[in-house]
Amino acid sequence: GEDVEQSLFLSVREGDSSVINCTYTDSSSTYLYWYKQEPGAGLQLLTYIFSNMDMKQDQRLTVLLNKKDKHLSLRIADTQTGDSAIYFCGNTGNQFYFGTGTSLTVIP
Amino acid sequence: KAGVTQTPRYLIKTRGQQVTLSCSPISGHRSVSWYQQTPGQGLQFLFEYFSETQRNKGNFPGRFSGRQFSNSRSEMNVSTLELGDSALYLCASSLELAGASGANVLTFGAGSRLTVL
Repeated sequence: GEDVEQSLFLSVREGDSSVINCTYTDSSSTYLYWYKQEPGAGLQLLTYIFSNMDMKQDQRLTVLLNKKDKHLSLRIADTQTGDSAIYFCGNTGNQFYFGTGTSLTVIP
Repeated sequence: KAGVTQTPRYLIKTRGQQVTLSCSPISGHRSVSWYQQTPGQGLQFLFEYFSETQRNKGNFPGRFSGRQFSNSRSEMNVSTLELGDSALYLCASSLELAGASGANVLTFGAGSRLTVL
């Protein structure tokens, strides 16, 4: 089956940029997703990228996709304390696959 | 429009008991998928239902089962509970099955947190 990997923790200072990385194995994925989970809540879609794109920008969020290396990243510019959450990357084959999630801590 | 509703939000059971969790999807969404979330394990896919039929199943024992009703509402059941079943169970709904063409966005409920003592 598909394997989606992320580092478990990331800590940044408020105002800095955060970069969350993800690698996957299923090259047939047509869309790749980033979801955010705040404490006590379910996951919320942040953004997604079509597999024939290299980059997608949405306000403070930039998604980079390296299809050759099967690497996806999410950059959050000017990280705020409200960005502290768990971030999941995901894709779809015959089911939805998610990584283990990266817990982002923003230090004031 | 109303989001995905999961009930109950919290429950405590003892080993050997069984539990049923409920999920009401967004109106018009035909697919409901279930996930188990535990620390360090991320989201583990349990199963996906579409038009009242289980379409995909993750790598969980037969103690985990589910169903979907004609109004797309779904339930999952865990029998003979074990300590390791303690987790947050999330359901998500989407318009189409996983793997359908086009971006298929999942909308998650807040989850049901199960504690097994």
